[in-house]
Amino acid sequence: EPEVTQTPSHQVTQMGQEVILRCVPISNHLYFYWYRQILGQKVEFLVSFYNNEISEKSEIFDDQFSVERPDGSNFTLKIRSTKLEDSAMYFCASRPQETQYFGPGTRLLVL
Amino acid sequence: EDQVTQSPEALRLQEGESSSLNCSYTVSGLRGLFWYRQDPGKGPEFLFTLYSAGEEKEKERLKATLTKKESFLHITAPKPEDSATYLCAVQGGSGGSNYKLTFGKGTLLTVNP
Repeated sequence: EPEVTQTPSHQVTQMGQEVILRCVPISNHLYFYWYRQILGQKVEFLVSFYNNEISEKSEIFDDQFSVERPDGSNFTLKIRSTKLEDSAMYFCASRPQETQYFGPGTRLLVL
Repeated sequence: EDQVTQSPEALRLQEGESSSLNCSYTVSGLRGLFWYRQDPGKGPEFLFTLYSAGEEKEKERLKATLTKKESFLHITAPKPEDSATYLCAVQGGSGGSNYKLTFGKGTLLTVNP
């Protein structure tokens, strides 16, 4: 059964450094998402992406964040200058219709 | 703004002891209500999608139901492997074709053998 995959599974970085989180959505899906979950809190929407452009972003998704689909399979989330409060699990999701299928997540720790 | 409230926050059951989890929601134009299971350190795993009041879906020991204001996830004769956090999420109609999900905090279910 096709699955969303994410790399790396864990990333530790220093405050102010850039990180790139990678996702491979399910191959025939056209809509892609990033969510984050701070430890002990709700899963929160960050951004949605369709047809090579952002279709909606939350207020969390400020100028430090960007997304890209560099080729036909990968979908990336870049944080330009990480802050301590960016420490969280980041989930990629994709969908064919209404239902979104999530990847296993990347645990990001900013020191 | 779409909102989702889940209760209880945590539930401890004995194996075989049936119960229900609640998800109350407010949304402008419900497109869909979703139940996911999340194991520690993992991503949400899709369980059910419900679209309209009165709809029910079943999978093994789980049954999800939907009214105009809330959804229930009924667990019949649970087993220890059903232990997980169960997440409820809604898609509202105000976001165009975006279909973003708004999640509740989840219910942490523990089933003791």
